[in-house]
Amino acid sequence: GAVVSQHPSWVICKSGTSVKIECRSLDFQATTMFWYRQFPKQSLMLMATSNEGSKATYEQGVEKDKFLINHASLTLSTLTVTSAHPEDSSFYICSALITGVRNTIYFGEGSWLTVV
Amino acid sequence: SQQGEEDPQALSIQEGENATMNCSYKTSINNLQWYRQNSGRGLVHLILIRSNEREKHSGRLRVTLDTSKKSSSLLITASRAADTASYFCATDVQAGTALIFGKGTTLSVSS
Repeated sequence: GAVVSQHPSWVICKSGTSVKIECRSLDFQATTMFWYRQFPKQSLMLMATSNEGSKATYEQGVEKDKFLINHASLTLSTLTVTSAHPEDSSFYICSALITGVRNTIYFGEGSWLTVV
Repeated sequence: SQQGEEDPQALSIQEGENATMNCSYKTSINNLQWYRQNSGRGLVHLILIRSNEREKHSGRLRVTLDTSKKSSSLLITASRAADTASYFCATDVQAGTALIFGKGTTLSVSS
């Protein structure tokens, strides 16, 4: 079964509104999660690294005020797309890192965002 | 940021044929992984090869890694229509860091 749950699977929102996407690690604690964006027919682009209890680290070119990331607990990270516009329509996918002898990354199922 | 390139960008073959996809990357790596993604869906992890490994097999999959050339290949033998998907390589430069994905190869297998 899934070890990382992402919700919602798809969402449609009106231009100018904000939408929140949740990424939960199931049955394990994840101090680090990662957020990616994927436009149609393109690859996954890393947006930011989310660390529990601290500010996220954003990749170059990603607006931190537009894509708010909160990692308030060891099992939940959220991505809020603020004042969404049609160009923000994309597939957003998170992953969670299990640290240990061999670090393992698990991906969520992704969330389709359509801004109309 | 993107780590590297896959080639070909698109590949069309007949069922039963083998499919080979290549991935090149730019920096030294910890591990290299291959993922499959069906259209509009999430990622399916296929195989992980460590930087000190040269070849790995899993069922119909064979992955090679050449760290001197900073490249990897994924071979799918006896392909099936169900193998139709996009395939991505992904690397991490250090344990515990984010995976960086290549641009991907879109494979189409016709019956």
